[in-house]
Amino acid sequence: GAVVSQHPSRVICKSGTSVKIECRSLDFQATTMFWYRQFPKQSLMLMATSNEGSKATYEQGVEKDKFLINHASLTLSTLTVTSAHPEDSSFYICSARRDRGLNEQFFGPGTRLTVL
Amino acid sequence: AQSVTQPDIHITVSEGASLELRCNYSYGATPYLFWYVQSPGQGLQLLLKYFSGDTLVQGIKGFEAEFKRSQSSFNLRKPSVHWSDAAEYFCALDSWGKLQFGAGTQVVVTP
Repeated sequence: GAVVSQHPSRVICKSGTSVKIECRSLDFQATTMFWYRQFPKQSLMLMATSNEGSKATYEQGVEKDKFLINHASLTLSTLTVTSAHPEDSSFYICSARRDRGLNEQFFGPGTRLTVL
Repeated sequence: AQSVTQPDIHITVSEGASLELRCNYSYGATPYLFWYVQSPGQGLQLLLKYFSGDTLVQGIKGFEAEFKRSQSSFNLRKPSVHWSDAAEYFCALDSWGKLQFGAGTQVVVTP
């Protein structure tokens, strides 16, 4: 149990286009989902926290108009990178938590975004 | 301010040898601590977690970790390393429901 999927696993796009990444909790309901960004050889940096049915909370320095997050249901959150540029190329990882408060986060396999 | 420090960026260990990965934290309250493993190009898998109680925590894949409040440490250990343990290991601290990760330790296993 507690499986989180991401789609796509890899995406290559041209500069200026928008890319949507999906994160799904397959066998549990996730009241909270998180989006992380990881640069090569570096740690994970939290980008935003999303709770089902409410607006996402972005970490300091993350452009909310650039990285649109939607958590429309208890099993799906999406991250849209708008007008992507080469500096947005990165590994994006989502995680999901069963309920609010202290609990384990379950991580998706990640999405590799390359912007040409 | 809360922080997680993994002093070792890279560790090389022989297959069959023991492994210890260091993690130090700074947090004003009782910490909730995790160890995750990441294989290349993959997401994170939870190895073990500490919330409270017994300070020696057993995890998956033969890993264990010991919480030492006096040293602000949560070191990960494995008695005998397998080639499949080669990966990146992250220590993390739960801070108000958000995970703060250390920089990670790359483990290389030699024959």
